[in-house]
Amino acid sequence: GIQVEQSPPDLILQEGANSTLRCNFSDSVNNLQWFHQNPWGQLINLFYIPSGTKQNGRLSATTVATERYSLLYISSSQTTDSGVYFCAVDKGGNKLVFGAGTILRVKS
Amino acid sequence: GAGVSQSPSNKVTEKGKDVELRCDPISGHTALYWYRQSLGQGLEFLIYFQGNSAPDKSGLPSDRFSAERTGGSVSTLTIQRTQQEDSAVYLCASSLITGNYGYTFGSGTRLTVV
Repeated sequence: GIQVEQSPPDLILQEGANSTLRCNFSDSVNNLQWFHQNPWGQLINLFYIPSGTKQNGRLSATTVATERYSLLYISSSQTTDSGVYFCAVDKGGNKLVFGAGTILRVKS
Repeated sequence: GAGVSQSPSNKVTEKGKDVELRCDPISGHTALYWYRQSLGQGLEFLIYFQGNSAPDKSGLPSDRFSAERTGGSVSTLTIQRTQQEDSAVYLCASSLITGNYGYTFGSGTRLTVV
């Protein structure tokens, strides 16, 4: 099956710093989503982005489908950005495969 | 409803008992998905529904697990003869249709089998 690798596994930032999270996947996909799981366990959809670039406030994402990777950018980080960021992909079978996640801690 | 609603939020059950978990998707969302999240396994796909039908049940871990959806809305996930390895957070998501849309997840049901 398709493999999803996320890096880095852990990241500690000072409030106000910027960061880039990476997601590599092993096969072509028709669905790629980024999620944020907050400290209370709620999974929030950030982007549906199988290709191209999208922006939402301080967050933006880029997927280069031909090279099988996606990047999530967080600018001017805030303590509320803390949590786990997941990348998930699907090849067309309606089964999202999740990466192991990046644990982000933003310190004030 | 405004979001995906799951109940109960927490469930503690004795080994060997049956449990039913409920998911109420966003109104109008025809696709519904069940996932489970555990410490050792991360987020695993269990099953999805398009309308009331479940074309792919390959993610269900054993024949003790079953799911149904009625009226194109509420879904129940049933686990029979629960085992300790079934302890996990069970998450439900819905999307407008299957395929090229983002998922909205519920808050999950934390199942503990003692």
